[in-house]
Amino acid sequence: AQTVTQSQPEMSVQEAETVTLSCTYDTSESDYYLFWYKQPPSRQMILVIRQEAYKQQNATENRFSVNFQKAAKSFSLKISDSQLGDAAMYFCAYRISNNAGNMLTFGGGTRLMVKP
Amino acid sequence: EAQVTQNPRYLITVTGKKLTVTCSQNMNHEYMSWYRQDPGLGLRQIYYSMNVEVTDKGDVPEGYKVSRKEKRNFPLILESPSPNQTSLYFCASSYGGGTYNEQFFGPGTRLTVL
Repeated sequence: AQTVTQSQPEMSVQEAETVTLSCTYDTSESDYYLFWYKQPPSRQMILVIRQEAYKQQNATENRFSVNFQKAAKSFSLKISDSQLGDAAMYFCAYRISNNAGNMLTFGGGTRLMVKP
Repeated sequence: EAQVTQNPRYLITVTGKKLTVTCSQNMNHEYMSWYRQDPGLGLRQIYYSMNVEVTDKGDVPEGYKVSRKEKRNFPLILESPSPNQTSLYFCASSYGGGTYNEQFFGPGTRLTVL
């Protein structure tokens, strides 16, 4: 079974600074996708960034970037120039490419606090 | 506006009283899923559907039922709710499986079973 582990239940960062959230996963599959979702207090699940396992280049979306280390099965999220609106729960998720149920496997989440 | 809607958003009920949480999407998506979110466990898939009349179990299906009679709707049914089903529930939809298809999540339903 695939598992996703987020070892940091809580993190804090000063506004305008950079923070990195950690995620590791365990799988025997070679073709899969990785995601970071943001869940603000509104509870809405918002896709932040995704990475295809076959791509060596790390994905970036504006202030958000990932460090994907396939051999180490590591997928960390870096948030640059942190803003107050970045405060939220962040979930790392995994999905194998050929998944009948389109199922996402989630980590336990990291609560990010941003200090003004 | 493309969206997934869920009703109700909040529900408090008692053990054993049957309830249904509705989910509807307006994007003509084939795939729909239900997840539950619990502290420290992230979201876990309960059931999914690949199309009308095609449903299957996810990781945590015990105590739940679903149906897919219309493409846009995918209700979650708890025939005899128990306190361990107190959770935050999300419905999600996407175009299909296989290659990447982004999942769109509903706003969540907070269920408390007393």
